[in-house]
Amino acid sequence: DTAVSQTPKYLVTQMGNDKSIKCEQNLGHDTMYWYKQDSKKFLKIMFSYNNKELIINETVPNRFSPKSPDKAHLNLHINSLELGDSAVYFCASSQDPGQVTDTQYFGPGTRLTVL
Amino acid sequence: AQTVTQSQPEMSVQEAETVTLSCTYDTSESDYYLFWYKQPPSRQMILVIRQEAYKQQNATENRFSVNFQKAAKSFSLKISDSQLGDAAMYFCAFFSGNTGKLIFGQGTTLQVKP
Repeated sequence: DTAVSQTPKYLVTQMGNDKSIKCEQNLGHDTMYWYKQDSKKFLKIMFSYNNKELIINETVPNRFSPKSPDKAHLNLHINSLELGDSAVYFCASSQDPGQVTDTQYFGPGTRLTVL
Repeated sequence: AQTVTQSQPEMSVQEAETVTLSCTYDTSESDYYLFWYKQPPSRQMILVIRQEAYKQQNATENRFSVNFQKAAKSFSLKISDSQLGDAAMYFCAFFSGNTGKLIFGQGTTLQVKP
């Protein structure tokens, strides 16, 4: 069984469109994250949610809006897509980032291409 | 702010040989967690090994081991008996208990030659 899953794996869309990426984890974790990996492979956190509550909100354009319907799901909605949004987006989950021994497990990534 | 530096953009190793990937970090925290993740061409991020800062003993997972030097803020990954399937990008990461953030290095691409 897949621990952290994302859909879709690939997303190609036109500039200006609105799109969503879904993430689900079956690990029973309380915290979920979104990361962006740019063209140089650099990974940076965007958001984290703990039990449906926003915990980390990095400097991300407000066109990006995470939504957590329950603690097993964290979706990422992106409005008015721009060329610079093209990247690989990773979802991750962990049990408790308040513990220094917390470990994050990642989904397979979604490659977003904006044309 | 914490930073993680991987100074080797690319490394190569002959199959069955040993290779060491370097990682240094900067922090004022005393207790933290360090990780190595592997990203093969499939792009999945796979946890390779982890080390708790308060543990002096270096972590080992089968052919993977770390050399953790806390005073030097160094956390290198040693891969023994390299296999073709080890070819991937390897990321060092630092987990800050203060911020709850996982901070990644720039990555090192490892090539394994048959």
